[in-house]
Parts: sequence; structure tokens; C-alpha cells
Amino acid sequence: EDQVTQSPEALRLQEGESSSLNCSYTVSGLRGLFWYRQDPGKGPEFLFTLYSAGEEKEKERLKATLTKKESFLHITAPKPEDSATYLCAVQGNQAGTALIFGKGTTLSVSS
Amino acid sequence: GAVVSQHPSWVICKSGTSVKIECRSLDFQATTMFWYRQFPKQSLMLMATSNEGSKATYEQGVEKDKFLINHASLTLSTLTVTSAHPEDSSFYICSARAVAGGYEQYFGPGTRLTVT
Repeated sequence: EDQVTQSPEALRLQEGESSSLNCSYTVSGLRGLFWYRQDPGKGPEFLFTLYSAGEEKEKERLKATLTKKESFLHITAPKPEDSATYLCAVQGNQAGTALIFGKGTTLSVSS
Repeated sequence: GAVVSQHPSWVICKSGTSVKIECRSLDFQATTMFWYRQFPKQSLMLMATSNEGSKATYEQGVEKDKFLINHASLTLSTLTVTSAHPEDSSFYICSARAVAGGYEQYFGPGTRLTVT
């Protein structure tokens, strides 16, 4: 069964304090791993797609990496505006066209 | 690019009435659109998947007669909550996958439904 587990559930950082969010997955034939950001009361905002182990993507203070079992979202020198819930999702062969989502990591950055 | 809109952004209706929510891909054509439900502080729960011109595929436990989905074009899908009850109050979010793209889903801003 395809599964996505994110850790930690919640993370509190001081502004400028770098850290990483983890997304562990099991999937039959990974077609893509996706990171989204969701602000309260809004729909998820697409951040990255990773397709194969070793791949990395960057956007401003965020960097996503992928191995065969997990993905990390590294946040460098975060700012308060980076506070949000970060969702990880996978697309596998056997899930049809549906993404499998993790429960998310809620990040709070204080100044 | 890849913008998805939803209308309305919030709606209040009385128990027993029906509510229609529209989901539009504004700058791309979508082969597939998805409808999710999200409860407070919980992750997204997939309700159904729809392909243009085809009947929607509903997830287990989702009542297809209560949540009517129509995907009439490559840019528009609608979700109608029929005979709404207070327990249907929730945050409904749609997403779309582009015709010419990978497996990324682009999400709308969501619709907050409150049934009184």
C-alpha cells in the first residue's frame, strides 16, 4: 500500500534558524514526489516535483531533495513569512491518477 | 501560470438546500480534476476524480448521489452538494492536472461551506 509519512508534525524555529522537514514514502513505482505549501484557509500552493533519487530543486530559501525512501525539504534562514503547513505527496503506478498525501508539517517561524 | 480558481470562496446555506461549487483552470487545459475535503487541522481527503466528458470516480465512503460532480469541459468542473446537512460543512478544494504536463496537481483557493 502506498504511504507517505511526514515528520515532525510541528516545528517551531527562530528566524534564521535553518532546519529540514522529512517525508518518508513507500510507493509502487514512483512517478513523482511533490511538495506543497498550504496557508490557513487556502488551497495548497505547488512548490516542487522530484522524479528520481538524487534530484534536487531549489526555490528561494527552500531546497527539496529525494532519495529512494524519503525526501527532505530544507529551509535555509527562514523568515516569519515561511510559516505554513508543508505537504508532501507521491504519485505511484498503482494509485491511478490520485496523489497520496502526508499529513503535513506545520512550520512556525518567529522573529 | 497554472492558476485554478474556485467560486464561491465561501457560502452559507440552509439545511436541505443544494450548493454548487465551480472549479476553473484559468490558463491551462485540465485532463483531470480532483475534489478534496479538508477538516480543520487535517490533511486533504480525496473525494473524487473526474475526467472531462466522463463520469467521476468516487472514493470509498463518498456518496455519489450527495456530491454530484460534472466535468463538462477541459477548464471547468463543478461539485454540487445536494440536500446539504450541517455535517457537510467543510472546506472543499479542487485541483487540476494539465493536459500537457506531468503529474502535478494545481489547487484552487478552496470553498468554505457552512450549512446551518
